[in-house]
Amino acid sequence: SQTIHQWPATLVQPVGSPLSLECTVEGTSNPNLYWYRQAAGRGLQLLFYSVGIGQISSEVPQNLSASRPQDRQFILSSKKLLLSDSGFYLCAWNRLAGGYEQYFGPGTRLTVT
Amino acid sequence: AQSVAQPEDQVNVAEGNPLTVKCTYSVSGNPYLFWYVQYPNRGLQFLLKYITGDNLVKGSYGFEAEFNKSQTSFHLKKPSALVSDSALYFCAVRGQTGDSWGKLQFGAGTQVVVTP
Repeated sequence: SQTIHQWPATLVQPVGSPLSLECTVEGTSNPNLYWYRQAAGRGLQLLFYSVGIGQISSEVPQNLSASRPQDRQFILSSKKLLLSDSGFYLCAWNRLAGGYEQYFGPGTRLTVT
Repeated sequence: AQSVAQPEDQVNVAEGNPLTVKCTYSVSGNPYLFWYVQYPNRGLQFLLKYITGDNLVKGSYGFEAEFNKSQTSFHLKKPSALVSDSALYFCAVRGQTGDSWGKLQFGAGTQVVVTP
């Protein structure tokens, strides 16, 4: 069966510090991968998605970047965090062809102080 | 462009009573619709989907959803709610055209509170 991991689970970082969040998927190959942010409240905002190694599409201009160095690894980064980067970051995957539903990781709670 | 609306910010129901969470959508072409549930500080869990076929879709944990094309709705239902069903519920629609192709558009979420 497939599983998706995210780490760290929680992170507190000062403004201006760098960020690296990691997501890995097991039990499947060539997945589509997604990064979402859920701000305080509820709404889910799609940040990046990737259909293959090195292929990244950005949805919203912002202080963040994403990379996909391996087939099942997706990394969210920032060189200098802003207060507004605080939130709950969720990674998700789905099959290149199939049922279309996305499966989510457990999330990373980021607090920028 | 596709969109999805969840008109209720919160739904309150007593344990044992039927639960309905409303969702309406707008999309070009045939809709691909999804329901997810989120518990506090957790990722979203997939409940069910409608792609094609029967309008009544059965999913996890006793949930089902009814697709109504004429009303462009996809309401989530459970015949008898449990306290453990208290969570945040999201409806989503898959983009079918242009830049939105393949991406999920989520509603704002509905908080369900089930009281004992």
